Amino acid sequence: DAMVIQNPRYQVTQFGKPVTLSCSQTLNHNVMYWYQQKSSQAPKLLFHYYDKDFNNEADTPDNFQSRRPNTSFCFLDIRSPGLGDAAMYLCATSQGQFRYEQYFGPGTRLTVT
Amino acid sequence: AQSVAQPEDQVNVAEGNPLTVKCTYSVSGNPYLFWYVQYPNRGLQFLLKYITGDNLVKGSYGFEAEFNKSQTSFHLKKPSALVSDSALYFCAVRDVEGGADGLTFGKGTHLIIQP
Repeated sequence: DAMVIQNPRYQVTQFGKPVTLSCSQTLNHNVMYWYQQKSSQAPKLLFHYYDKDFNNEADTPDNFQSRRPNTSFCFLDIRSPGLGDAAMYLCATSQGQFRYEQYFGPGTRLTVT
Repeated sequence: AQSVAQPEDQVNVAEGNPLTVKCTYSVSGNPYLFWYVQYPNRGLQFLLKYITGDNLVKGSYGFEAEFNKSQTSFHLKKPSALVSDSALYFCAVRDVEGGADGLTFGKGTHLIIQP
C-alpha cells in the first residue's frame, strides 16, 4: 500500500544533542510537509517542500531545518533540541498545493532529556 | 491571517444517535476546508474536504459536512454514531487566495461515543 512512513516512531535525545527525524513516501507526491504537534494542541506547520523548493514558516525557529534529497525522502533536523521541542512531529504529503488533501505519517514522538 | 475555531473540547454522544462536531473559520478570501481524524498515537487521517460546488460534502466512514458561507461554518456530521468513531477530530482551513500552503488547524474536538 502507498503510504507515508516515519522513522523512528519514538526518539529520545539529550538536551542540545542534534537529532534527525526521517520521512519517506511511496505516493510520489510533489509536496512534503513537517508539522509539530505538542500535547493537546493542534498541529503547527514548520515548513514544506514543493518539489525542491523549500518554504519556511515565518515563526519556525532557526533551530529547525529540513532536507529533501529526492522525491521520496524528507528529513527534519533539530540542531540543538531544548526541552520545549519535545512533541510529536508529523510528516505529510500532498499531490499538489492548496486544494489537495494531505496524507499524514504516524508521527515521531520526540522526548528531550 | 486564517484561523479555525472548534468551540467544544469534547462531545459526548450515545451510540446510534446523530453526531455533530462544530467548526467555524476565518479567512480573507474563500476557503478550502478539511476534516481530519486522529486516533491515539497515530497520524491524522483525511475524512473529507470542501473545495467548491455542493455545500454538502460526503467523506469516509459515513461522515459528511456542510459548508455554510454566511455563518463561516463547516460542521462535521454523521447520522448514526459508532463506538469506533471515538477519536480526536480536527477541522482545518486554507485560504484560496493565497498565503501559506500549509493547513491551519483548529485545536481539535474529542468525540466520545458511549455504548
